[in-house]
Amino acid sequence: DTGVSQDPRHKITKRGQNVTFRCDPISEHNRLYWYRQTLGQGPEFLTYFQNEAQLEKSRLLSDRFSAERPKGSFSTLEIQRTEQGDSAMYLCASSSLKRATDTQYFGPGTRLTVL
Amino acid sequence: AQSVTQLDSQVPVFEEAPVELRCNYSSSVSVYLFWYVQYPNQGLQLLLKYLSGSTLVKGINGFEAEFNKSQTSFHLRKPSVHISDTAEYFCAVDRGSTLGRLYFGRGTQLTVWP
Repeated sequence: DTGVSQDPRHKITKRGQNVTFRCDPISEHNRLYWYRQTLGQGPEFLTYFQNEAQLEKSRLLSDRFSAERPKGSFSTLEIQRTEQGDSAMYLCASSSLKRATDTQYFGPGTRLTVL
Repeated sequence: AQSVTQLDSQVPVFEEAPVELRCNYSSSVSVYLFWYVQYPNQGLQLLLKYLSGSTLVKGINGFEAEFNKSQTSFHLRKPSVHISDTAEYFCAVDRGSTLGRLYFGRGTQLTVWP
């Protein structure tokens, strides 16, 4: 396994701009998760996919946020009209349903700074 | 709903000393429990997990944790720390039915001094 990868690692944007992040899970992992981590806090769940289906969304995922996983492989997280409060580390994780005791493996994260 | 409390936000220790990082959770259902470590500017790495069976769980890098159902705790321990253990440690719970979303504590910054 090559691990979960995320792109970009860092993103600086101006308030009001749209941004998109990409996550590539571990090969053949059918579950994919997005979390947000702000300074001094633990990660907070945003949403997750099983294959291409988005099964759960947190209340943190406002209308400005949208996530997709069109072919059940990589996923994108888009934030429209960014606000300063969106500044955070966005973490992606993946896991497999094939093994009942599998766990979530995290990527390195995308750090977003909104000026 | 679950909540996870990490009682100490910062734990400073000297090298080769023992350490315990505390974690308590609240849940009305059975849970799965995890400890993750995060080094600066990196993602989270799994240290260990409790799913069922023996309440003493051994993980990587010499860490271990004990699940105590009556006290709803899952404290992380290491008998002798190294400077390289300096990092942020997160306790997390899963509601235990479908291995879905994780609920994380706020983290404990472990700093090991020479």
